[in-house]
Amino acid sequence: SQQGEEDPQALSIQEGENATMNCSYKTSINNLQWYRQNSGRGLVHLILIRSNEREKHSGRLRVTLDTSKKSSSLLITASRAADTASYFCATSGYNTDKLIFGTGTRLQVFP
Amino acid sequence: NAGVMQNPRHLVRRRGQEARLRCSPMKGHSHVYWYRQLPEEGLKFMVYLQKENIIDESGMPKERFSAEFPKEGPSILRIQQVVRGDSAAYFCASSPGRTDNSPLHFGNGTRLTVT
Repeated sequence: SQQGEEDPQALSIQEGENATMNCSYKTSINNLQWYRQNSGRGLVHLILIRSNEREKHSGRLRVTLDTSKKSSSLLITASRAADTASYFCATSGYNTDKLIFGTGTRLQVFP
Repeated sequence: NAGVMQNPRHLVRRRGQEARLRCSPMKGHSHVYWYRQLPEEGLKFMVYLQKENIIDESGMPKERFSAEFPKEGPSILRIQQVVRGDSAAYFCASSPGRTDNSPLHFGNGTRLTVT
């Protein structure tokens, strides 16, 4: 079964607004990663946060991790139409090398 | 640097035929992963390989599916006697090391349609 569940499943906002996506997972993790997928394309890595980190920034992206709640959030600030895509969280466990992906959030940013 | 190359981009097969999907990892990457994605869904892990070795195939169906990553050449995902339920996008990803340190680099996928 999938490790991660994203919330919401879909999100529509106007350009300039912030977008927040949440991810919950079930078992202990080594790290959590966020990926973006444009329609018909492969996934692109955005950011990796380790289990001993609580927050990480990369440009307009801010990721938080709460291991006690087994959850993470991805915040995109000042969104642009080009941010329209699906966003997936993925977890890496201690005893495995595979990444397990969540179900994704489809983000639509209207100009 | 070329990214992860997958071919073909689109593949149409009739039920009962074989499908071969190819993946050339990024230069210097020795770890290859295959994932399957159904429309509007997330990616489901299938298999993880290093050169000449299958490390984790826990997501692979027991029958009809096989994968290899030979010493020379691309990784191959092979589906024998395809059925309609095999229709999906198959993504390959590579990394230079373990996922506890390295993110995955994805190809643009092969979209398999079984008629």
